[in-house]
Amino acid sequence: AQSVSQHNHHVILSEAASLELGCNYSYGGTVNLFWYVQYPGQHLQLLLKYFSGDPLVKGIKGFEAEFIKSKFSFNLRKPSVQWSDTAEYFCAVKHPSGGSYIPTFGRGTSLIVHP
Amino acid sequence: GAGVSQSPSNKVTEKGKDVELRCDPISGHTALYWYRQSLGQGLEFLIYFQGNSAPDKSGLPSDRFSAERTGGSVSTLTIQRTQQEDSAVYLCASSSLIRTSGSPRNEQFFGPGTRLTVL
Repeated sequence: AQSVSQHNHHVILSEAASLELGCNYSYGGTVNLFWYVQYPGQHLQLLLKYFSGDPLVKGIKGFEAEFIKSKFSFNLRKPSVQWSDTAEYFCAVKHPSGGSYIPTFGRGTSLIVHP
Repeated sequence: GAGVSQSPSNKVTEKGKDVELRCDPISGHTALYWYRQSLGQGLEFLIYFQGNSAPDKSGLPSDRFSAERTGGSVSTLTIQRTQQEDSAVYLCASSSLIRTSGSPRNEQFFGPGTRLTVL
């Protein structure tokens, strides 16, 4: 079964610091990759997604993620975080070749940005 | 509304009681998912609907949990004889299938969740 690992459970940064959140998955075939964000008191929303093509994906609010197939990774990055980026971040992976429409989610990373 | 809605937003119940949670997906979305989110545990998949049928209910933790979907739209998740370990946020998501050459694509849209507390 697919598994998704988010290595950093809690990250604390100051504003303007750079961010990288790790995401690794176990399945080696074709994958669809997602990062979701959950701001305090709000529902989960999609930050960015990768299906195919350019492995460097740009998302909303200045976030980007790079799919590195050889490393089974899809790390999330932002060059300069803001206080408003404080949220819970979830990586999700789906492998459509297995006929599955159900993404597997990581446990999430809690990001706190100090002003 | 344009998004996924869930009701109630909060539910407090006593151990042993039955509860029913409701999800209204985005209009036209054929796929509907239920997840459970516990503190520090990420999202736990419960059940998936395609139309009114549930091809994957492998995530339901016990036979106390059941779900149905009618008219390809609204879904209800029922938990019978609730236990304290059922306390969590129950999330619903919906998606439409976008097929390219052989690879189904679906982006999920999540509702705000129902926070269930079993005393």
